[in-house]
Amino acid sequence: DQQVKQNSPSLSVQEGRISILNCDYTNSMFDYFLWYKKYPAEGPTFLISISSIKDKNEDGRFTVFLNKSAKHLSLHIVPSQPGDSAVYFCAASEGDNDMRFGAGTRLTVKP
Amino acid sequence: DADVTQTPRNRITKTGKRIMLECSQTKGHDRMYWYRQDPGLGLRLIYYSFDVKDINKGEISDGYSVSRQAQAKFSLSLESAIPNQTALYFCATSGGQGGNQPQHFGDGTRLSIL
Repeated sequence: DQQVKQNSPSLSVQEGRISILNCDYTNSMFDYFLWYKKYPAEGPTFLISISSIKDKNEDGRFTVFLNKSAKHLSLHIVPSQPGDSAVYFCAASEGDNDMRFGAGTRLTVKP
Repeated sequence: DADVTQTPRNRITKTGKRIMLECSQTKGHDRMYWYRQDPGLGLRLIYYSFDVKDINKGEISDGYSVSRQAQAKFSLSLESAIPNQTALYFCATSGGQGGNQPQHFGDGTRLSIL
């Protein structure tokens, strides 16, 4: 069963606008959440993370929001740039247990 | 040079063949992982190792085996490859408590089994 779900396979936004990528999870014991970014022919690279004790974490243009009651997290990119075009994976883990990944969302930022 | 190196980058082989995918890292991390990526399914964990003497099965270990030859090397074997093992395979490392440290990925091995 997929414990981490990204229900939107793709998203297209205009350069300069906000990109919002969403992720839902089913395991209420997850306590660490991450977003990875993947370009073609490369491995995923870590983007930003958040612990379950927080509801927001910001790093430059990237902000992750966590809503534990809804078991939902989102990644906001403001402003979006063409170089942000990639596949974004949401991931979650419980303590020292293995990490579970969503299926990914392909973001396209149009100039 | 890449911190996490996977070889080969691409491989095409036939059903029933034995295949080994290799991973080496220069990050000095104790923890290493093997994942496969399939369209619509994201990354799924095959095996992981927290140190040289530790091997653990992941979500989808059937049909695979691993060897942790040294801290820096972690190889994945398919003893008798089958077509549904066609996928993109990633090796990853992490430096601390696995659940609270990001993982660092290699660039992947694209494996096709005919």
